[in-house]
Formats: sequence, C-alpha cells, structure tokens
Amino acid sequence: SYELTQPPSVSVSPGQTARITCSGDALPKQYAYWYQQKPGQAPVLVIYKDSERPSGIPERFSGSSSGTTVTLTISGVQAEDEADYYCQSADSSGTYKVFGGGTKLTVL
Amino acid sequence: QVTLRESGPALVKPTQTLTLTCTFSGFSLSTSGMCVSWIRQPPGKALEWLALIDWDDDKYYSTSLKTRLTISKDTSKNQVVLTMTNMDPVDTATYYCARTQGRTGTALDYWGQGTLVTVSS
Repeated sequence: SYELTQPPSVSVSPGQTARITCSGDALPKQYAYWYQQKPGQAPVLVIYKDSERPSGIPERFSGSSSGTTVTLTISGVQAEDEADYYCQSADSSGTYKVFGGGTKLTVL
Repeated sequence: QVTLRESGPALVKPTQTLTLTCTFSGFSLSTSGMCVSWIRQPPGKALEWLALIDWDDDKYYSTSLKTRLTISKDTSKNQVVLTMTNMDPVDTATYYCARTQGRTGTALDYWGQGTLVTVSS
C-alpha cells in the first residue's frame, strides 16, 4: 500500500525556521495537505494543495513541493507551534487518502 | 458554520461490531462535491484514513480494512454512519469524521472532535 514518509521529530528554538518533509512516490501527481494536531485536539488544516494557506492560519506557515517531497515550513517558530504535524495526500489514482506517520515539532 | 460531531459507544468487546455516527451541520451531502471521511488514531499513533462517502453515494474504503467497513449516509438527517465488524483491541482509537469538498484533490477542511473507542473484554 502507498505510504508517506515523515521524520518522527524536529526540534527548533523559538524564532528559528522549522522544516518538516514528507516523501511519497505519488506526490508529483497528487496534492499534499498538512494538519497540525495539539494534544487532545482534532487536527487542523494548515496548508492545502501543497502551498495554499487557509484563512486564519498565520503567514509563518508555508508549503512547497519538489518532485516526490513536500515541505512544511514554519518561519519564526513560536512556542504555540509545538504540536504533531501530519502530511496527507492520495495514491496515484487519487481515490485513497493516506497520512504520513506524523512529525513531532518541539520548540526548545 | 460547518460542524461535525461523532457519537457511538465508548467501549466495545472483541468480535463485536462498532457503529459510529457522524452528525454534521453547515453543509449538505446532497450538494455536488460534498464528501465525508472517517479517520482514526490509536493512542499515541498516527492518523489513518478509513473510508469516504460522497454526494453521489459512492463509497471508498481503506484497502487494508475494506472487508470490515461499511459507510452509509442519511441525507435527510445530515448523518454518516460507519460500521466496523469483528472489533479487536488493536482497533482502540479515537475515531474522527471530517468533510472534504470533492472526492479527490481536496483537503479535510472541517473535523469533528473525535470519539474514543476502547476495545476490551
């Protein structure tokens, strides 16, 4: 079955830039989405269609795509950004959704 | 304002069938493009997509769980129901429902708060 691969953890100091990658063979064909999940809460969409930001999401969140890898970038990380981040996409047919294994962002 | 809320039993026994209901407002599943998915998350683990039903009553299931899942909708009640048969302790998880505006190429833009289901005898 199709898989998306994320690093288990990323650590940054406040004010630095955090980059979280997600790799998958179908990513050149299928959009990627990023969700932020804080403990005990439902996921929240922070990036859609690789690089679009929903209304209400701070400008420090951005997304990019290159080949089989997509990247979530958080510029000027704040303590409140500490959370788990999941990428999501679909298989090459577009029919079946899949999530990455999640990345725990720690703000030092 | 779009909202979704999951409901169902908090505890099921192994081998039993789980039935979960997603009750939503702010959109209609009879509107072209609207879809509802179910996603689960075992404690401390990653999200896993389970199933999707669309406005046209087409249904899609996780390949690894498709033999155990059934998704259905009641448009008049604004509800989507997921059943999962032969429950096992490894199915212990928080189950979420979420909306997408489109069968493919769209985000899960609104989520319910989730409901924790524990499988134990």
